[in-house]
Amino acid sequence: QQKVQQSPESLTVSEGAMASLNCTFSDGTSNNFRWYRQHSAKGLEVLVSIFSDGEKEEGRFTAHLNRANLHVSLHIREPQPSDSAVYLCAVIDTNAYKVIFGKGTHLHVLP
Amino acid sequence: GPKVLQIPSHQIIDMGQMVTLNCDPVSNHLYFYWYKQILGQQMEFLVNFYNGKVMEKSKLFKDQFSVERPDGSYFTLKIQPTALEDSAVYFCASSLGTGVSGNTLYFGEGSRLIVV
Repeated sequence: QQKVQQSPESLTVSEGAMASLNCTFSDGTSNNFRWYRQHSAKGLEVLVSIFSDGEKEEGRFTAHLNRANLHVSLHIREPQPSDSAVYLCAVIDTNAYKVIFGKGTHLHVLP
Repeated sequence: GPKVLQIPSHQIIDMGQMVTLNCDPVSNHLYFYWYKQILGQQMEFLVNFYNGKVMEKSKLFKDQFSVERPDGSYFTLKIQPTALEDSAVYFCASSLGTGVSGNTLYFGEGSRLIVV
């Protein structure tokens, strides 16, 4: 059973400073990873999907995947107060029809 | 982007009563999911559904839970009878299921259920 852990639990950055979030997983055979964002009382917003080792950029969001190290990260360039939310790392189970989530990182962006 | 709608957005119900949570998935999607999130905790997989059948369900998907999508209408989660520990936000999601990005799940905004 895939296990997904995120760090830190909470992160505070100033507006404009890079924010970096980490995610480790237990089963390196997965090849389908996503970062979602969850504003309180709202559904989940897809930020970036990554399927192979390396980097994938979507606007101000960049994901880095290193399956050998069982690690995927999310970097947010020039974060704004509106980016304050819970960021969830998700790993697609190998059967391709189940998503395993981490517990999330609470990001606070100060103006 | 694609939208998944959930009805109701919130409901308070007496313990032991039945509740049905409704989900209107993205129109051309084929796979449907329910997730449960207790306040402050991790989002947990409940069940996935394709071609009229449950494909997989987790330990959280108790015998009191059932899902269906009659005639391509709403994808529903029914809890009968409800228990106090069923209080949570229930998220519906759907995915296309094919293609490189076919496993991207699109989520609704959740149905907040409070059992009293």
